Amino acid sequence: DAGVTQSPTHLIKTRGQQVTLRCSPKSGHDTVSWYQQALGQGPQFIFQYYEEEERQRGNFPDRFSGHQFPNYSSELNVNALLLGDSALYLCASGVNGEQYFGPGTRLTVT
Amino acid sequence: QKEVEQDPGPLSVPEGAIVSLNCTYSNSAFQYFMWYRQYSRKGPELLMYTYSSGNKEDGRFTAQVDKSSKYISLFIRDSQPSDSATYLCAMTPTGGFKTIFGAGTRLFVKA
Repeated sequence: DAGVTQSPTHLIKTRGQQVTLRCSPKSGHDTVSWYQQALGQGPQFIFQYYEEEERQRGNFPDRFSGHQFPNYSSELNVNALLLGDSALYLCASGVNGEQYFGPGTRLTVT
Repeated sequence: QKEVEQDPGPLSVPEGAIVSLNCTYSNSAFQYFMWYRQYSRKGPELLMYTYSSGNKEDGRFTAQVDKSSKYISLFIRDSQPSDSATYLCAMTPTGGFKTIFGAGTRLFVKA
């Protein structure tokens, strides 16, 4: 049973660039959530996708956008990168809190 | 005030000790309560999942939820060095999809 997978593992970008992160949910799950985790902090909810629609959004600017595909996989896009966007980006699948996380993508913005 | 408060520690205990980890929260709409374990540079791993109030036990782990006090706990019995990690509490409201996490408590179990 495949768990949640994310790619790439690590990424280094320059301020002002754009980045796309990818996620495949756990087998049988149709809901995907994205989180940002800064060093020493708990994950912060960015948004959740279900049936290819954004279902709820956290307190993140419009520079953060996403997409869900018919096979339930998802992408997180961040435009106009800032130094403060450096973090571990986590994807989770599941609902009502019973969520399973991927290993994350570590994004460094220089 | 944060919606979920969790002491960041670090908490250091000897091997075999009973560990108690706690979180408080302010939003009475929370109905789903979770504990995750996160090793350094890894994704969080779901340990315990509880709906509403009560206790739940799974092996060496026991989760307690007291909604009247807005307080949740995780107990680890016979702690092992492999339990050394950051423990995150998390909560989701009924009918909502936004899960709120605590800041995490760093636990060190010394052999």
